[in-house]
Formats: sequence, structure tokens, C-alpha cells
Amino acid sequence: EAGVAQSPRYKIIEKRQSVAFWCNPISGHATLYWYQQILGQGPKLLIQFQNNGVVDDSQLPKDRFSAERLKGVDSTLKIQPAKLEDSAVYLCASSLEGPPGAQYFGPGTRLLVL
Amino acid sequence: KQEVTQIPAALSVPEGENLVLNCSFTDSAIYNLQWFRQDPGKGLTSLLLIQSSQREQTSGRLNASLDKSSGRSTLYIAASQPGDSATYLCAPGNYGQNFVFGPGTRLSVLP
Repeated sequence: EAGVAQSPRYKIIEKRQSVAFWCNPISGHATLYWYQQILGQGPKLLIQFQNNGVVDDSQLPKDRFSAERLKGVDSTLKIQPAKLEDSAVYLCASSLEGPPGAQYFGPGTRLLVL
Repeated sequence: KQEVTQIPAALSVPEGENLVLNCSFTDSAIYNLQWFRQDPGKGLTSLLLIQSSQREQTSGRLNASLDKSSGRSTLYIAASQPGDSATYLCAPGNYGQNFVFGPGTRLSVLP
């Protein structure tokens, strides 16, 4: 069974630029999560989708971050404009059940904002 | 609001030692708790998921125990190997709510 796929793996941008990350969850997993992980900390949930609907985006900085999950499968997370403090690893995870069902993570996208 | 701490923050041991990683959480009304491993530059790999009705869960050299009433979980690693070097994170989950992750314990096993 294929795992969670993410791309790109690394991205370097300058502040005020925009960037987008892509995630393809495990086939059949209805729930998809985006996390932000700052160096030395545990992942922090940004947004949770159930199929293509948003369930929890309470910690998403909506003035600059946006996410969508079209057709209930792939998802895209966008940052526009980026700030220095957005430098982090962005992790995508999926689960068969809603929370707190077992989650499976992708390899992450490491973002550096200069 | 669930808060999670992990002690120690970092640990360095010689190969072959048995070791214990600790996880504490403030809201004991959890549904389950998941332990993860994270290698440098990589995503999280699920190690064990222990339900609130269970006292412990085992996978190979790993054993996770859960004491809900005291808000604690421990991950026991037997006969540690250099390949066990990674960061270990715990994440308790309350029913219908998302996991809250601890900051992790960074483990180094020296050959």
C-alpha cells in the first residue's frame, strides 16, 4: 500500500513570495491533516479535512494560509505572502477514521523563508 | 486544553541498554495515545497506538504503557541499537478531537 505522498520535499523562497505544497493521502483515507513543525517542537495542526470539507482550521493563519481538498483526495496548502517565521516543515497526514484515529504521515516539505 | 510534555528532552545511551521515555499529559480523559518516531529530515512513523482501555501495547522491542488516571505514558525500548536513534513523540487523542503532540525526546544510541 502506497503511503502519503508530498511534494516538493524542499523549498527556499524569499519573504513576501508565495508557495504551495501538495499532498496525496493513502487511498481510501477520508481524513487529511496539514501540520506545521518548527524545529525542536512537535507538529501543530493547521487544518483538518473530512472528505473535501474543512472540519478544523482554528489554528490556520487565514490572512496568509489557505488550503483546499478538491474531490476529497489530493490537497494543496498555500502561503501567500510568506514570512520569515513560516520557515518550518509542513507535514501532511491521513487517517481512515476521524480523530483520533491512527494517523499516517508523509515525508514533509521543508520550507526556508529568507 | 491538552498539554503534553516529554522527559527527557534528549538522551544518549550506549548500545544494548534498555531505556524508558516518558510522556505526560494534562487532560486524562483521553481516547487513545499514539507514539511516533521521527528520523532527521523525515516525516513521522507510527510505532504504537494504545487505546484508553488498554494498559499496554507491544511491538517487537517496543512496549508502550498507559496510565490514564495519572496522565502518563511510557515507551520502553529493549536492547537499544544505533538504528533506534531518532526523535520519539507521543500524542494523546481525546474523543472526537485531534492528537496533541509532545515536543519529543531525541535519542542517540552509541555503538
